[in-house]
Amino acid sequence: QSVLTQPPSVSAAPGQKVTISCSGSSSNIGNNYVSWYQQLPGTAPKLLIYDNNKRPSGIPDRFSGSKSGTSATLGITGLQTGDEADYYCGTWDSSLSAAVFGGGTKLTVL
Amino acid sequence: EVQLVESGGGLVQPGRSLRLSCAASGFTFGDYAMHWVRQAPGKGLEWVSGISWNSGSIAYADSVKGRFTISRDNAKNSLYLQMNSLRPEDTALYYCAKGSAIAVVKFDYWGQGTLVTVSS
Repeated sequence: QSVLTQPPSVSAAPGQKVTISCSGSSSNIGNNYVSWYQQLPGTAPKLLIYDNNKRPSGIPDRFSGSKSGTSATLGITGLQTGDEADYYCGTWDSSLSAAVFGGGTKLTVL
Repeated sequence: EVQLVESGGGLVQPGRSLRLSCAASGFTFGDYAMHWVRQAPGKGLEWVSGISWNSGSIAYADSVKGRFTISRDNAKNSLYLQMNSLRPEDTALYYCAKGSAIAVVKFDYWGQGTLVTVSS
């Protein structure tokens, strides 16, 4: 049981938009920055979003992040088949004094 | 180019020990916190441990506290994870990840992982 809650799967057609939610509490998302990671099959995770809504260099602006209260959201527009992957949110939990991840969301581009 | 290369994984019996290493290059290793994150087969990411740039601050997941020890050698650009009293549930791919500060989850570079299998 993960500290952060994500939907197990989402799907959408190529070219469409999808959002992935990440729900937590005041001890984690509510008071700490959130990051998002993309894990393509058989590869290491890759940082997509950090500090709630910032993109590292090289990450296209099709990927966006937002945070409100104790929830965060990853948005992906202009979906491509190459976006099929597992997506994870992560943050620090001040009560646990530990980093925590969501359980992951599998994105299928139909 | 930032590179993180893990090593030291393998098959080990329950109760035994293993030491993982992560060799870093392409950035000023001593300026950044470093972390270990693991992924059991077919499962999600689980943070294991993190260490600040100067080893002054260290944190562990409850699942490994008291059994695992993280350390670093900035002169050798290396990160380590000493794993004792291993259990079958520790079986996973162990990733080394570059952070910023220990209590900030911003893992901007990851290694390819080293597989640890705990089984008799």
